Amino acid sequence: EPEVTQTPSHQVTQMGQEVILRCVPISNHLYFYWYRQILGQKVEFLVSFYNNEISEKSEIFDDQFSVERPDGSNFTLKIRSTKLEDSAMYFCGARASRQETQYFGPGTRLLVL
Amino acid sequence: EDQVTQSPEALRLQEGESSSLNCSYTVSGLRGLFWYRQDPGKGPEFLFTLYSAGEEKEKERLKATLTKKESFLHITAPKPEDSATYLCAVQGGSEKLVFGKGTKLTVNP
Repeated sequence: EPEVTQTPSHQVTQMGQEVILRCVPISNHLYFYWYRQILGQKVEFLVSFYNNEISEKSEIFDDQFSVERPDGSNFTLKIRSTKLEDSAMYFCGARASRQETQYFGPGTRLLVL
Repeated sequence: EDQVTQSPEALRLQEGESSSLNCSYTVSGLRGLFWYRQDPGKGPEFLFTLYSAGEEKEKERLKATLTKKESFLHITAPKPEDSATYLCAVQGGSEKLVFGKGTKLTVNP
């Protein structure tokens, strides 16, 4: 299976602090995604990103969240001012085209204290 | 709104005891139904993509089938290493995947 990598694997932060989660997608993949999974709950869509633009976002993805792909390889999710309820596993997804399989990274476990 | 419901929530099997997991869905214009395996603390690992009713795919002890309203993941003669949470997701008219809550499978030796 193609490999998506994410860093860090774990992040602990204080409420109100900014965090940046990083993803290195598969090299020929053009569509990128962030999902999150709160403990014991469903995997939820946050945002999709294509051609350096957000193509779709969920209600969860409010002004506290942003995404970018600054260097053409890393794909980042920034949370500007973390809240307790942001504690979750965050998964990066990637696919080569809109019709193909979406592959996921191993996740970043974010804990907001 | 696209929805996915998986049943049962949890399933315990003895090694070698075959069974099936269910994924019922409602979606506007199905573009794909996906099965993933998720181990504790890990990301979803891709298993199958199904695109149209009647389609079937197999991989080792797993077989996925699709109808217009549901999908089944059949597990034949499972082994303890098949223990995991199995996630079903659908893609409709948009980019996103909509996931079910998953079925937690435990296979006892």
